[in-house]
Amino acid sequence: DTGVSQDPRHKITKRGQNVTFRCDPISEHNRLYWYRQTLGQGPEFLTYFQNEAQLEKSRLLSDRFSAERPKGSFSTLEIQRTEQGDSAMYLCASSLARGTGIHFGDGTRLSIL
Amino acid sequence: DQQVKQNSPSLSVQEGRISILNCDYTNSMFDYFLWYKKYPAEGPTFLISISSIKDKNEDGRFTVFLNKSAKHLSLHIVPSQPGDSAVYFCAASSGTGNQFYFGTGTSLTVIP
Repeated sequence: DTGVSQDPRHKITKRGQNVTFRCDPISEHNRLYWYRQTLGQGPEFLTYFQNEAQLEKSRLLSDRFSAERPKGSFSTLEIQRTEQGDSAMYLCASSLARGTGIHFGDGTRLSIL
Repeated sequence: DQQVKQNSPSLSVQEGRISILNCDYTNSMFDYFLWYKKYPAEGPTFLISISSIKDKNEDGRFTVFLNKSAKHLSLHIVPSQPGDSAVYFCAASSGTGNQFYFGTGTSLTVIP
């Protein structure tokens, strides 16, 4: 049973650098989500894809953030010109259809020096 | 604006007893609710869900109750086991959107 896979698990970078994270969803899942979680908070929605189409974006997703899902399979989340406030756990999730639950990966922890 | 609230940051329960975790929401358009368990350094693990057309859903030791008039749901774990010690999140979504709104979590400790 292959769950949602995220790479890397940890990323440490200097402020101002660009970073890119990858998510491989569960293979038959056509819905893919990116969330961000900071200490003491629940996950906060960033963006949603259905197949390759990005259908919804949060106000949290500033213009420094971009997400893609080029062939409706894996997805990437890029953050340009990172800032201290970007330090967080970035979680990817996938689902087959509404009503079936969304399944999270173990996340990428981003630390900005 | 926190649309999903978990007002108890922590809960301790003796092994074998019932654990009751509570969640309140403010948006009357929410019609689908999820519960997750999270261990440190792992992503949230989906436990159980409930649609607004039901008021109860059961899966093994886990039961979720939904009170739509009170905008309240609860997760019951019976009997509680030490391995249940984790942070529990509730989440909600509406039929008009694709995002899930999460509470801030309740840390459950089951004492052997």
